[in-house]
Amino acid sequence: EAQVTQNPRYLITVTGKKLTVTCSQNMNHEYMSWYRQDPGLGLRQIYYSMNVEVTDKGDVPEGYKVSRKEKRNFPLILESPSPNQTSLYFCASSPTRIPYEQYFGPGTRLTVT
Amino acid sequence: SQQGEEDPQALSIQEGENATMNCSYKTSINNLQWYRQNSGRGLVHLILIRSNEREKHSGRLRVTLDTSKKSSSLLITASRAADTASYFCATDAKGAQKLVFGQGTRLTINP
Repeated sequence: EAQVTQNPRYLITVTGKKLTVTCSQNMNHEYMSWYRQDPGLGLRQIYYSMNVEVTDKGDVPEGYKVSRKEKRNFPLILESPSPNQTSLYFCASSPTRIPYEQYFGPGTRLTVT
Repeated sequence: SQQGEEDPQALSIQEGENATMNCSYKTSINNLQWYRQNSGRGLVHLILIRSNEREKHSGRLRVTLDTSKKSSSLLITASRAADTASYFCATDAKGAQKLVFGQGTRLTINP
């Protein structure tokens, strides 16, 4: 089944404890992206990648890192999480290098205490 | 910020009625897309309209785009209970690969 998977789906952690949220797609898509969704703010793009080893900042990249070593994987790293990073995170992918017709993962609900 | 604004923020109608949602944005765009999100789940792509198109249809969905007013509308005809969801517009600016989402319209279809 064509899909975008994220792990974990739920995570409660403490301030400063490094964490990684994994994202994987099995559709050979070029473009991958991370978003965070907060009430009243809609979705905001954190980072995106148009190809392997090519990443770029979205609108809210502060406090996050990403890597794209393989086409299928695009992990999101929070090196020192803070409470303001408590949010619902989505990974998405697109068939081309442009963010058209994105396929979204199921989301990761992160709470930082 | 290019972030779009959607109007209304919430809409509640009876099953069978038509639902119209609007999206406004700030900068020139390549394309505008609409997505649906069922409560807390991943978004699902509905339709894409290019900047040189004015109207597009897909099943019960009709999207219009007015680049002079920097606005778009999504019309869902003959609404069903299953259409209950949040709807988001998303734009990609000319020369950029970033995607900017609006804040969404929460649509409730009452049986």
